[in-house]
Amino acid sequence: DTGVSQDPRHKITKRGQNVTFRCDPISEHNRLYWYRQTLGQGPEFLTYFQNEAQLEKSRLLSDRFSAERPKGSFSTLEIQRTEQGDSAMYLCASSRGTGTHYGYTFGSGTRLTVV
Amino acid sequence: AQKITQTQPGMFVQEKEAVTLDCTYDTSDPSYGLFWYKQPSSGEMIFLIYQGSYDQQNATEGRYSLNFQKARKSANLVISASQLGDSAMYFCAMRDLTNFGNEKLTFGTGTRLTIIP
Repeated sequence: DTGVSQDPRHKITKRGQNVTFRCDPISEHNRLYWYRQTLGQGPEFLTYFQNEAQLEKSRLLSDRFSAERPKGSFSTLEIQRTEQGDSAMYLCASSRGTGTHYGYTFGSGTRLTVV
Repeated sequence: AQKITQTQPGMFVQEKEAVTLDCTYDTSDPSYGLFWYKQPSSGEMIFLIYQGSYDQQNATEGRYSLNFQKARKSANLVISASQLGDSAMYFCAMRDLTNFGNEKLTFGTGTRLTIIP
């Protein structure tokens, strides 16, 4: 169990540029989540994958956001035409199943700053 | 909609003292789960303790215990014998379902705990 890895840890980008983040979940976890955390707030749910299928997207995920999980392994989160309001910590979590307290392992997050 | 309330934005505690972090929740579901996470400055959310709504006993994990009062809808985290390394943000979260029936976590706004030597 090597934990959930996220890359990069920090990203500074100019407004209007596209950015892509990567998440490598724990290998035997088939469920993967993306959360966004703004300053002074708790994380908020963005989207959820079960294996390679994206089963749900929050209303927080505008059309500029797209997430993929090819082959049910790693996942990417892309933000197109970034805006200053996109500045936040983007957290990835993975889970082996539902309904258990072992369910969620988080990565260290990617901190995005849009200037 | 489920909601988590943490009313203490920040707390300062002397090293080796016990500390209680407050959390109240609101849900109409009879089955739910409550989590506490620690977030140091590095950003990672570290799982601390879990309480299921049907669990008969309050959860304990080492120095962490959860004071679960179901009728009052509160799930306070108690840290005994605090250490300097306990300084971090602490989040209470509830496992609930989205409108499409998928599980997710709903977080509170967190409490920043600072341990004073």
